[in-house]
Amino acid sequence: DGGITQSPKYLFRKEGQNVTLSCEQNLNHDAMYWYRQDPGQGLRLIYYSQIVNDFQKGDIAEGYSVSREKKESFPLTVTSAQKNPTAFYLCATLDRQETQYFGPGTRLLVL
Amino acid sequence: QKEVEQNSGPLSVPEGAIASLNCTYSDRVSQSFFWYRQYSGKSPELIMSIYSNGDKEDGRFTAQLNKASQYVSLLIRDSQPSDSATYLCAVILTTQGAQKLVFGQGTRLTINP
Repeated sequence: DGGITQSPKYLFRKEGQNVTLSCEQNLNHDAMYWYRQDPGQGLRLIYYSQIVNDFQKGDIAEGYSVSREKKESFPLTVTSAQKNPTAFYLCATLDRQETQYFGPGTRLLVL
Repeated sequence: QKEVEQNSGPLSVPEGAIASLNCTYSDRVSQSFFWYRQYSGKSPELIMSIYSNGDKEDGRFTAQLNKASQYVSLLIRDSQPSDSATYLCAVILTTQGAQKLVFGQGTRLTINP
């Protein structure tokens, strides 16, 4: 069953804490993306990666970090520098026909 | 100017009527355009893609593209309550060889029974 998995579904962060959101795909897509969505808003690009061991900042990268050590995995770390992290985080891939596939999302809440 | 702009709504349409959703984009060289549907609390799902000027029909959905006016729209015929969702317009931008999808803020559509 091919697709994108994100975990956890809900994540709680304490002030000053770094947290990591997991994203795994078995679609064999090269490109992977992280978006943030705030209530009633569209999707804003945080980071993207076109290939293993390479990634680029999106529009709102400050306070976030990523790695791409394997084709299947693109974890996102929300650092303590991100002062307003409460949001819905979506991981996605892009196939060769330019179709974007989304994972189910992780909702991050601040305690 | 935002790269992709949509009317945030909400847009209310009676059941059985045609819902019309509009989107404008700023990059004249964009070639690929998409409409996604997002139910509350869920991730977006692709409804339509369109690459050429004109209309593209898929069931009750029709996407319309006018590159000269930098305008893309989505028509939903015979609207159903299950069509109530937020509709996101998206455009592929290629920057330094990397492709990224830029989204509008979404239009919230409500179909009234």
